[in-house]
Amino acid sequence: KAGVTQTPRYLIKTRGQQVTLSCSPISGHRSVSWYQQTPGQGLQFLFEYFSETQRNKGNFPGRFSGRQFSNSRSEMNVSTLELGDSALYLCASSFSGTTGELFFGEGSRLTVL
Amino acid sequence: GDSVTQMEGPVTLSEEAFLTINCTYTATGYPSLFWYVQYPGEGLQLLLKATKADDKGSNKGFEATYRKETTSFHLEKGSVQVSDSAVYFCALSATDSGNTGKLIFGQGTTLQVKP
Repeated sequence: KAGVTQTPRYLIKTRGQQVTLSCSPISGHRSVSWYQQTPGQGLQFLFEYFSETQRNKGNFPGRFSGRQFSNSRSEMNVSTLELGDSALYLCASSFSGTTGELFFGEGSRLTVL
Repeated sequence: GDSVTQMEGPVTLSEEAFLTINCTYTATGYPSLFWYVQYPGEGLQLLLKATKADDKGSNKGFEATYRKETTSFHLEKGSVQVSDSAVYFCALSATDSGNTGKLIFGQGTTLQVKP
């Protein structure tokens, strides 16, 4: 069974640009969550999608947005990038998202210059 | 709001030593508790979980007991191996967001095991 796939794995952007990250969940999983990982703040919850609907949202500015498609694949977008957005962005999937048993991808490492 | 506090690392041990990584939590409800592990260059993997008070989660020689009276979920292993070197995260299922996939993570504890 294929795991959670995130693309791209690495990317470099400059301030003010926007970026889109993609996540393909494990087949059959309908919940997709996104987390930001930084050395200073650790792992912080961004948002969760279930059946194409945002079910929960963390405390991030509106520049961070996401969506989920009918095949459960998800994308997150960050507009007007800031230096502080440099981080590892982790996607996690689960069948229902109700048990806390999440399956994580390897992440997309974003560097903002 | 909910929060998780882990002992700061790094923790450096010799192979076959006993491991304890402390984790305490604050929550308004009754969360499920988890330990996740992140090996170098990889995403997080669920190591073990406990869903109610006094439950003991175990996997790969690691154990943790859900202690409601002390709001703790300490991770232990009797004899660590070099292959256990990784970052360990304690987490809880957020109690303020209904039954969803939101987890609150601790800061992570880096474990280095030397041969």
